[in-house]
Amino acid sequence: AQSVTQPDIHITVSEGASLELRCNYSYGATPYLFWYVQSPGQGLQLLLKYFSGDTLVQGIKGFEAEFKRSQSSFNLRKPSVHWSDAAEYFCALGGNQFYFGTGTSLTVIP
Amino acid sequence: ETGVTQSPTHLIKTRGQQVTLRCSSQSGHNTVSWYQQALGQGPQFIFQYYREEENGRGNFPPRFSGLQFPNYSSELNVNALELDDSALYLCASSPVGQLYGYTFGSGTRLTVV
Repeated sequence: AQSVTQPDIHITVSEGASLELRCNYSYGATPYLFWYVQSPGQGLQLLLKYFSGDTLVQGIKGFEAEFKRSQSSFNLRKPSVHWSDAAEYFCALGGNQFYFGTGTSLTVIP
Repeated sequence: ETGVTQSPTHLIKTRGQQVTLRCSSQSGHNTVSWYQQALGQGPQFIFQYYREEENGRGNFPPRFSGLQFPNYSSELNVNALELDDSALYLCASSPVGQLYGYTFGSGTRLTVV
């Protein structure tokens, strides 16, 4: 069965600090993986996606993610967080049907 | 700027009623999917339409139905509303040839009372 787990329900970081959001997936073949961000009352915005090739993927807004097959993980990182990054982050396993994790809520402290 | 527009943005319905939610995609977006996002949860796949035909369905009962029109608009219909249907409903569309390049709308917040 396909599934996505985001172990951290809520994370708080200080502005300027580094960030890592965890994502683990369950899938028998090569996965298509995505990270989306959702601001309050808004839809989902695609940050980055992994289909194949280089395991370090660059996205928008300074985000990157690393695919690690051995750990079934696709963690999202950002070297220096800005206050505007406060939002809900979703990892998704995709194809015709997307399987989303339950999300990680990010709070940024000034 | 999103190319997917959903209407209405908010809606309140009574248990047992029927509701229609609408989604308007950009020209060329021939694949549309609908998701239900309950409070505090990730989106759950309802179904997908491709060239006006249902092309996959999640674990939702038949009272959830949809339509896709030639003008790249689509509808989600829910009959016999239940309290648990209260959620944010998201539409996502993809253009021809862009594998899984879905663009999500801002959603319709449905409250069933």
